[in-house]
Amino acid sequence: ETGVTQTPRHLVMGMTNKKSLKCEQHLGHNAMYWYKQSAKKPLELMFVYNFKEQTENNSVPSRFSPECPNSSHLFLHLHTLQPEDSALYLCASSPLGGGSNYGYTFGSGTRLTVV
Amino acid sequence: DQQVKQNSPSLSVQEGRISILNCDYTNSMFDYFLWYKKYPAEGPTFLISISSIKDKNEDGRFTVFLNKSAKHLSLHIVPSQPGDSAVYFCAASAGAGSYQLTFGKGTKLSVIP
Repeated sequence: ETGVTQTPRHLVMGMTNKKSLKCEQHLGHNAMYWYKQSAKKPLELMFVYNFKEQTENNSVPSRFSPECPNSSHLFLHLHTLQPEDSALYLCASSPLGGGSNYGYTFGSGTRLTVV
Repeated sequence: DQQVKQNSPSLSVQEGRISILNCDYTNSMFDYFLWYKKYPAEGPTFLISISSIKDKNEDGRFTVFLNKSAKHLSLHIVPSQPGDSAVYFCAASAGAGSYQLTFGKGTKLSVIP
């Protein structure tokens, strides 16, 4: 149990589908993140929420839509995705919005396949 | 442009020997560096970190060395154990007000019994 729970663990969706990824943390952390891990690429930061406010959007296409209703939950809404969006999507949280210890806690990820 | 580079995609080491994983960075503003370990089907887990004001940090079998002039850091694992087999990610952040981490591509370590 990592403290950060992601559901579902695996998702196969068609290009016309709409689905959502869910992330939940009960660590009392203030910041939550969505990362994308594609094959042979570094972890790419997609979105950052600090105290429920979105503070980063790293030029992510609008077909990815994040939502953070409270500091414990984070969603990633997906619609009209492309096959190249197939990847491992990782959620993370951290206790601080800044400072010297960034001890991210990651979830196990959602393996997304777009067909 | 990759700001954090792990140029070795994989590394194999005999059990009991030293594993050395390397990481280079290009952004002079980075002042905090971390190593994460990832097993298959799991998210990365924090391993060890180092501030730019230090050149070494040790935690049990794991030691991270930082050479600021060379913009290079390394993770030493001594002695290596089969359970250390995983993908290791180097990450860096810039400035006390920044909590965004920039990751490398990772190095897959295989420790052979």
